[in-house]
Amino acid sequence: GAGVSQSPSNKVTEKGKDVELRCDPISGHTALYWYRQSLGQGLEFLIYFQGNSAPDKSGLPSDRFSAERTGGSVSTLTIQRTQQEDSAVYLCASSPGQGGYYEQYFGPGTRLTVT
Amino acid sequence: SQQGEEDPQALSIQEGENATMNCSYKTSINNLQWYRQNSGRGLVHLILIRSNEREKHSGRLRVTLDTSKKSSSLLITASRAADTASYFCATDNNQGGKLIFGQGTELSVKP
Repeated sequence: GAGVSQSPSNKVTEKGKDVELRCDPISGHTALYWYRQSLGQGLEFLIYFQGNSAPDKSGLPSDRFSAERTGGSVSTLTIQRTQQEDSAVYLCASSPGQGGYYEQYFGPGTRLTVT
Repeated sequence: SQQGEEDPQALSIQEGENATMNCSYKTSINNLQWYRQNSGRGLVHLILIRSNEREKHSGRLRVTLDTSKKSSSLLITASRAADTASYFCATDNNQGGKLIFGQGTELSVKP
């Protein structure tokens, strides 16, 4: 079946603009994760959704970052007033259940460049 | 903050040789996973080892876990040029399944 998809694959935006990144998880996967990968910081956890539970937002770097997951499926990561340090590859992953005993299936990522 | 430290940061070997990558972590874990990332692409899960396991095999991959030393190793036997990629360890600290990744080892296998 289809894997995790993300759009856009690349996004170039000007400093100060808002951006939305989209993730379509694998159908039926209840858990959805957002990570960020940058040269200086490696792979960082951002936010995690599991079913109808409140999301774990502990990795979001500032209040400019927010995410939602509608209908337990598609998720959107929004970055407001983008800064140059937000430039990174944003990776989405989904898994069949909660907890680290499930492997996570990653999408190809969105490369965000803030000029 | 990053949990895992990996070494070496980069490894270059000839096809047919074995490649060993190491990962150390700081806090107690439920399990440890290894992922592979080809340049410019998403991560692919390789293997998961639980905290009560010491060794696990999958094809040409062998993973060990030493919880007393808080370390793990990934061995790729009889390497191929197609194994060229970055390899990451990731730990689950029983915090809802979010993974804490190491910095990764960049493996180059020369034909």
